[in-house]
Parts: sequence; C-alpha cells; structure tokens
Amino acid sequence: ETGVTQSPTHLIKTRGQQVTLRCSSQSGHNTVSWYQQALGQGPQFIFQYYREEENGRGNFPPRFSGLQFPNYSSELNVNALELDDSALYLCASSWPGRQNTGELFFGEGSRLTVL
Amino acid sequence: GDSVTQMEGPVTLSEEAFLTINCTYTATGYPSLFWYVQYPGEGLQLLLKATKADDKGSNKGFEATYRKETTSFHLEKGSVQVSDSAVYFCALTTSGTYKYIFGTGTRLKVLA
Repeated sequence: ETGVTQSPTHLIKTRGQQVTLRCSSQSGHNTVSWYQQALGQGPQFIFQYYREEENGRGNFPPRFSGLQFPNYSSELNVNALELDDSALYLCASSWPGRQNTGELFFGEGSRLTVL
Repeated sequence: GDSVTQMEGPVTLSEEAFLTINCTYTATGYPSLFWYVQYPGEGLQLLLKATKADDKGSNKGFEATYRKETTSFHLEKGSVQVSDSAVYFCALTTSGTYKYIFGTGTRLKVLA
C-alpha cells in the first residue's frame, strides 16, 4: 500500500508567477484535502475534493484552485503568487467520503518559496 | 468559529521526564479531537484521537483524554525519549464538516 506522495518537494517562484502542485492519494482513499503550513504555524485548510468535486473551502482567495482526477490524485494551482504564499503545502487523503471524522494521511509536503 | 489553542514551545526535557502539552478548544458542534506529530523532514502523522467526551486516546506511551467540561485534550507521556523530539499538533474536526482545525504546534526537544 503506497502512501500519499507529493511533487515537487521544493520549488522557487517569483511574485506573479503561477504554480501547480501535485498529490497522489493513498490507495483506496477518495477524498483529498490541501493545507497550507506557514513557518512556525499549524496547517490551514485550503479545500477538499471528493469524487472530483470541491467539497469545501477555507478562507483562501480564488487564485487558489484545485482539481481531482478520476484516479483520486489531485492538483493545487496558485495564480499570481505573492510573497505570503511561501509555505509548506500539504496534501492529505482520507476515507470515507464527505463527512470526514477519521484520520488524515499526509504527504511530506511541497515547500514553495516565492521571491 | 472553531479554534484550537495549544501551549507555545519549545519544550525542552531530559530523557525519562514527564511530558504535558496543553490543548484547549472551542467548537460549536461535537468535535473529534486529535494529536498529530511531525518528525523532522516528515509529514504529519496521527498520534492518537478521541471522538467523544471522556474517551481516552493512546499510542506509543502517549495519552490524551477528551474533557468536555474543560474543553481540553492535553497530551501526556510518563517518560519521554530522545526519539519523541518532534512538533506536536492538536486538532479538531466537527461532525458534518470537512476541515480540520489545527493548533500552532508545540516543538518538543528531548535531551539525552
């Protein structure tokens, strides 16, 4: 059973650029959530995808968008990057479906630096 | 809105010392409570959980009891090891919602 994998592990962008982060969920998990973890802070919920649809969203602007694919993998896209977007982006998968009260399985994260 | 407050770190202890990391929460629904741990260079992983009042979660010598009357979920371990050095996050999720609320994390350093 493979765990949650994320790519890339590190990347550097400049202000105004766009970035795409990728996540493969753990085998059998149909729900993927994305979190932003700023340095020294706890993870902040960005959004969740269930069966290819956005299932809920945190307090992030529309320039943060996502996709989930039929194999349950997911992408996080951030447009018009700002310096404050520098953070560790965590993907987490879970089972079952919409009302998740169970365990989250996290990847190791993608560390984004915006210059 | 829902929130989690945990004690600030870093916490530095000698090996075999007793550990307590305080966590309190505010929730409008009936939350499930969690402790996640983040070891250096790794992703977060679940340490223990409790889904209803008075439940005790336990794992790897760590324990936490869901106290509804004090809205707390303090993490304890009787004898810490160097390998317990990590960042510990308290978190909640409320039944019917899709997101977890995390605390800011408490860094634990255990010295040999």
